[in-house]
Amino acid sequence: NAGVTQTPKFRVLKTGQSMTLLCAQDMNHEYMYWYRQDPGMGLRLIHYSVGEGTTAKGEVPDGYNVSRLKKQNFLLGLESAAPSQTSVYFCASSVTGTGYSEQFFGPGTRLTVL
Amino acid sequence: GNSVTQMEGPVTLSEEAFLTINCTYTATGYPSLFWYVQYPGEGLQLLLKATKADDKGSNKGFEATYRKETTSFHLEKGSVQVSDSAVYFCAHLASGNQFYFGTGTSLTVIP
Repeated sequence: NAGVTQTPKFRVLKTGQSMTLLCAQDMNHEYMYWYRQDPGMGLRLIHYSVGEGTTAKGEVPDGYNVSRLKKQNFLLGLESAAPSQTSVYFCASSVTGTGYSEQFFGPGTRLTVL
Repeated sequence: GNSVTQMEGPVTLSEEAFLTINCTYTATGYPSLFWYVQYPGEGLQLLLKATKADDKGSNKGFEATYRKETTSFHLEKGSVQVSDSAVYFCAHLASGNQFYFGTGTSLTVIP
C-alpha cells in the first residue's frame, strides 16, 4: 500500500494563477481532509469530505475549492492564487470521523505564491 | 469554542533527559485526544491517543493521560533519544468530524 500520496511535492505560482493539488489514498477510507500548515499556527482544516461526492468547509475554506468525484481522490483547487496561500498543504484520510479512527497523512505539498 | 494550546518550543534536551510537553484543550463535549509527530520532511504520524477520561495512551516510550478535570493531555517520555527529534502536535477531535491541532512543539535531542 502506498498510503496517502500527494502531487506535486513542490510548486511555485504567480499571483492570480490557478492550480490543483491531488491527493490519493489506497486504503478505501471514507473520510478525507485538506490542511494547511503555517509557522506558529499548526494545522488548520481547509475542507473535508465524509464520502464520495460530498465536501464540507473547514476552518479556513476561503480561496479554495475541492472535489471528491472518486472515493480514493480528493482534489484541492486554487482558482486565483494569492501570496497568503503560500503554505505547506497536507492531505489526510481516515476510516471514519470518530476518535477511534486514526488520520493518515500524506507527505505534503510546499506551495509558494509570488 | 474548540482549541488546543500546547507548550511553545523549541525544546532542546540532552539524550536520556526527561521530556514533558504540555497540552490543554477547550472543547464542547468529551473529545478524543491525540499526539501526532512530524519528522523532518514528512507528514504527521499518529503517536498515541486516548478516547475517554483517565485513559492513558502510550507508544515508543511516550505516554499521555487524558485528564478531564484539568482538560489536559501532557506528553511525557522518561529518556529521550536523538531519534525523537521532531515536531510534536497535540490535537483533539470534538463533534463535527473536525480535528483541532495545536501549533506544534519542536524537540531537538542532542547526544
